[in-house]
Amino acid sequence: DTAVSQTPKYLVTQMGNDKSIKCEQNLGHDTMYWYKQDSKKFLKIMFSYNNKELIINETVPNRFSPKSPDKAHLNLHINSLELGDSAVYFCASSHSVGEQFFGPGTRLTVL
Amino acid sequence: LAKTTQPISMDSYEGQEVNITCSHNNIATNDYITWYQQFPSQGPRFIIQGYKTKVTNEVASLFIPADRKSSTLSLPRVSLSDTAVYYCLVGYNAGNNRKLIWGLGTSLAVNP
Repeated sequence: DTAVSQTPKYLVTQMGNDKSIKCEQNLGHDTMYWYKQDSKKFLKIMFSYNNKELIINETVPNRFSPKSPDKAHLNLHINSLELGDSAVYFCASSHSVGEQFFGPGTRLTVL
Repeated sequence: LAKTTQPISMDSYEGQEVNITCSHNNIATNDYITWYQQFPSQGPRFIIQGYKTKVTNEVASLFIPADRKSSTLSLPRVSLSDTAVYYCLVGYNAGNNRKLIWGLGTSLAVNP
């Protein structure tokens, strides 16, 4: 059973399009995250939700909008995609201060 | 502003002990220190977490001095499969006031 799953694994799209990445965790965790990892491997936290409430919102363009329909899901919607959005996006979950469990990542390529 | 600093890369040989140090001068009282390992094309994976002194588990040890301004991840007797990027994370995650400060990662290469 996959603990943290993301779909799709790969996403190739044109500039200007709108796309969504879905994330689900079956660990019963109360906190979920979205990270962006660029080609230099820098891991940048974007958002964090606790019990469906946004608690971390780093400096991210407002083209990025997270949506948490319930505690087990945190989706990421991206409007008007730009070349610089190309990266690997990781979803993660945790129990408050505990270890974070990461998903397998979604490699986004914007052409 | 809180910040974590770690070496960009390290080289080692099989069977050696590897120590990776992370500096976090502005660590706050309720911050924890956590280390993650990442292999290519995978998400980071938890290695160890500590608050002070020393923590040991089956894969690593974490040494934290009394001032907590740095921490050292120790990997005993590394093997080729320990070649990965290691990230230091400082932060707390409680209530409505959370912060997570990730280091830029240390790329460890273990040679035969």
